Amino acid sequence: DSGVTQTPKHLITATGQRVTLRCSPRSGDLSVYWYQQSLDQGLQFLIQYYNGEERAKGNILERFSAQQFPDLHSELNLSSLELGDSALYFCASSPNRGVSNEKLFFGSGTQLSVL
Amino acid sequence: AQKVTQAQTEISVVEKEDVTLDCVYETRDTTYYLFWYKQPPSGELVFLIRRNSFDEQNEISGRYSWNFQKSTSSFNFTITASQVVDSAVYFCALSEAGDGAQKLVFGQGTRLTINP
Repeated sequence: DSGVTQTPKHLITATGQRVTLRCSPRSGDLSVYWYQQSLDQGLQFLIQYYNGEERAKGNILERFSAQQFPDLHSELNLSSLELGDSALYFCASSPNRGVSNEKLFFGSGTQLSVL
Repeated sequence: AQKVTQAQTEISVVEKEDVTLDCVYETRDTTYYLFWYKQPPSGELVFLIRRNSFDEQNEISGRYSWNFQKSTSSFNFTITASQVVDSAVYFCALSEAGDGAQKLVFGQGTRLTINP
């Protein structure tokens, strides 16, 4: 058990809808990362927050947004969902601000199915 | 641009066989970091090892060993005397120091099946 908690584990929704994925990092970790794992794109970095502020951005669509709250939990919001957004969304955390050699601790993911 | 290639999509071996998972990377940075993560059937990604670009020493941890060769841009992973519990998807990943942030670029993964 990595100590990173993601809810819900599974989410089924329809095209055009909006969903929120939630992540609680390991106790004491200040950085939260979001990754998307899909069959065609593989594992892709979406975005990182450090102590409440956005620190790094990857291939995140404009329809997607994230935030990190004062208690350090994070939410990933996905809107105007399309079939292609179906994927496993991982949250990861690390103790510090997220330099290139930092080891990440991943949650079990949220499996999103858009029908 | 940075890229990680794991050419082996799936490998299937019988228990106790040795198996090597290949990883080839591309980067323009002189300082970078390489990682291996394991994704067991339960789904979460588990960190296995981290290597920086200045450290070409091979590493052994129990039945696991890693061979880092800058000359061929490879960071291969060998499991000796494989066991059924080693069955998982294994990912090689790269991050560049020039990015100033931890943005892992993953390979496509190798699904390893160890048969009893």
